[in-house]
Amino acid sequence: SQELEQSPQSLIVQEGKNLTINCTSSKTLYGLYWYKQKYGEGLIFLMMLQKGGEEKSHEKITAKLDEKKQQSSLHITASQPSHAGIYLCGADIPGNQFYFGTGTSLTVIP
Amino acid sequence: SAVISQKPSRDICQRGTSLTIQCQVDSQVTMMFWYRQQPGQSLTLIATANQGSEATYESGFVIDKFPISRPNLTFSTLTVSNMSPEDSSIYLCSVSGRMNTEAFFGQGTRLTVV
Repeated sequence: SQELEQSPQSLIVQEGKNLTINCTSSKTLYGLYWYKQKYGEGLIFLMMLQKGGEEKSHEKITAKLDEKKQQSSLHITASQPSHAGIYLCGADIPGNQFYFGTGTSLTVIP
Repeated sequence: SAVISQKPSRDICQRGTSLTIQCQVDSQVTMMFWYRQQPGQSLTLIATANQGSEATYESGFVIDKFPISRPNLTFSTLTVSNMSPEDSSIYLCSVSGRMNTEAFFGQGTRLTVV
């Protein structure tokens, strides 16, 4: 079973469109991490959320953790080809556990 | 798509010992990546392993401490050598698919060194 559900698995959008990627857990999270992998490269850290309702932004990418700290959404506004890549969430879960999502492949069509 | 089996999922080890983490992929892949996430920090790339060539290590990581094997296109191991408590981390392997638009991730290994 997947402790951390990430959706959608893949996404193809027209340049300029907005999009959202979700990461959901059945447990309350201590922290939620978002990463990005550019094609052919390794993962890089985007941002981390710890508090319920917390929201952070990084270059037109906004991530939010819900009040219950069980779901996070990553939102890209006015997508650009540079946003293309693989997005991965990871979560610190009570019980000294850490889980990763399955990744979301984003393609932005010019 | 590819499915990655990463083992072990967690382990508690004595300092001074070594642990080998395995990643088995159900299809042939070109690039494999190994990462570490120390407590309170984000994922850091340790090295990139391409079949048939030596792994490429990132700054701050050396082969003597983290030897990597890549004997074929479906398997790789990362060894954490001569462990100390500072090596307590989550280790993750990932692969790129045939198309660079794909990436797949292991389940992670949580290592605690006591």
